[in-house]
Amino acid sequence: GDSVTQMEGPVTLSEEAFLTINCTYTATGYPSLFWYVQYPGEGLQLLLKATKADDKGSNKGFEATYRKETTSFHLEKGSVQVSDSAVYFCALSEVYSSASKIIFGSGTRLSIRP
Amino acid sequence: DAGITQSPRHKVTETGTPVTLRCHQTENHRYMYWYRQDPGHGLRLIHYSYGVKDTDKGEVSDGYSVSRSKTEDFLLTLESATSSQTSVYFCAISESGDRGRATEAFFGQGTRLTVV
Repeated sequence: GDSVTQMEGPVTLSEEAFLTINCTYTATGYPSLFWYVQYPGEGLQLLLKATKADDKGSNKGFEATYRKETTSFHLEKGSVQVSDSAVYFCALSEVYSSASKIIFGSGTRLSIRP
Repeated sequence: DAGITQSPRHKVTETGTPVTLRCHQTENHRYMYWYRQDPGHGLRLIHYSYGVKDTDKGEVSDGYSVSRSKTEDFLLTLESATSSQTSVYFCAISESGDRGRATEAFFGQGTRLTVV
């Protein structure tokens, strides 16, 4: 079945460092792709999304490009802040027998040192 | 914020007892999902619903059942709770977008369930 694979964490960086969190997916169809963020003690919230190949999603300085040829959707940020410390989830949505499921990766914990 | 409420927020129950978690939405979204979150596993889909009385299994459905008798409510029942079902449970809602694919999911605050 369809699946999402993320780089394992935790990832620890210094403030203002460049961030990349890798995400690849396996899908039989043409999924929509998402990045969600979870701050401590909270539910998940959408960070960015892309619905077709070569689309770039962006929000709060984060970016990710839908690469169909490599089945990837890597998350990047040029200069991280302490407030970016959270768990990040890559996800896809696809249609299965006329209904749509959203499948998540295992999450990557990011810690930013001042 | 999307109108989605989970109840209860915390529950401790004994092994072998039935437990029901409730998810309530005020957004009239088509899709509703139940996930469990465990360290090292991310979010795993338990069951989902694509309409009133229309539900299907996710990847970890054993030991769980669901019901959706109204658009706004999606109930998750642990038929006979076991310690392996100790987890944080999240409900999410979504609409149907381009080519029927679910659009952005909105999440509840989660229910922390402990089975002793």
